[in-house]
Amino acid sequence: DVVMTQTPPSLSVAIGQSVSISCKSSQSLVYSDGKTYLHWLLQSSGRSPKRLIYQVSNLDSGVPDRFSGTGSQKDFTLKISRVEAKDLGVYYCAQTTHFPPTFGGGTKLELK
Amino acid sequence: AVQLVESGGGLVQPKESLKISCAASGFTFSNAAMYWVRQAPGKGLEWVARIRTKPNNYATYYADSVKGRFTISRDDSKSMVYLQMDNLKTEDTAMYYCTAEGRVTGWFAYWGQGTLVTVSS
Repeated sequence: DVVMTQTPPSLSVAIGQSVSISCKSSQSLVYSDGKTYLHWLLQSSGRSPKRLIYQVSNLDSGVPDRFSGTGSQKDFTLKISRVEAKDLGVYYCAQTTHFPPTFGGGTKLELK
Repeated sequence: AVQLVESGGGLVQPKESLKISCAASGFTFSNAAMYWVRQAPGKGLEWVARIRTKPNNYATYYADSVKGRFTISRDDSKSMVYLQMDNLKTEDTAMYYCTAEGRVTGWFAYWGQGTLVTVSS
């Protein structure tokens, strides 16, 4: 199985700051169709996960452009600019290029 | 708006069976692959099962941890997806989320609120 490694495991941030979360995969996530199926999800406290970004850099509907995703092959980054209180929670990366789909261990974003 | 509503969770003993359900609305259910993802208490996310659409022969796929014990199915006439769980183990204790494929955006586009399955003697 593809191992997804997220760093850091936790992050303390002040409102208005910017943060980045890293996600590295044990194999390239480029599929045979040329696309890269790496996604980012947020699970706010006590709630179900919500996908924010699909295929590395595409924002889901309603996701503010303070969120951005970059990366290629095995190395990916989620950046959140001007963090707001509603951004707090656990962020997960997920790959669906290879079977079975796998998730990173999560990065907990907390208030400083 | 897309809605996924899970039901049927509960407390069962090891080796028992349980069937959980997910009612979908707000999108063309018959065109969407559906998935189950679980989360053990205090842990991360684990994909469990996938079922494709009729043009793809309703093909099913499972995580190794549940293969041979769990069965995913769907009823397009009712916009429902199910997970039959047999021979349950304590390590199956988790919140089970139903998730749907986005028509253009792919896997895990939409999520339900989850249903809790507890396996304990």
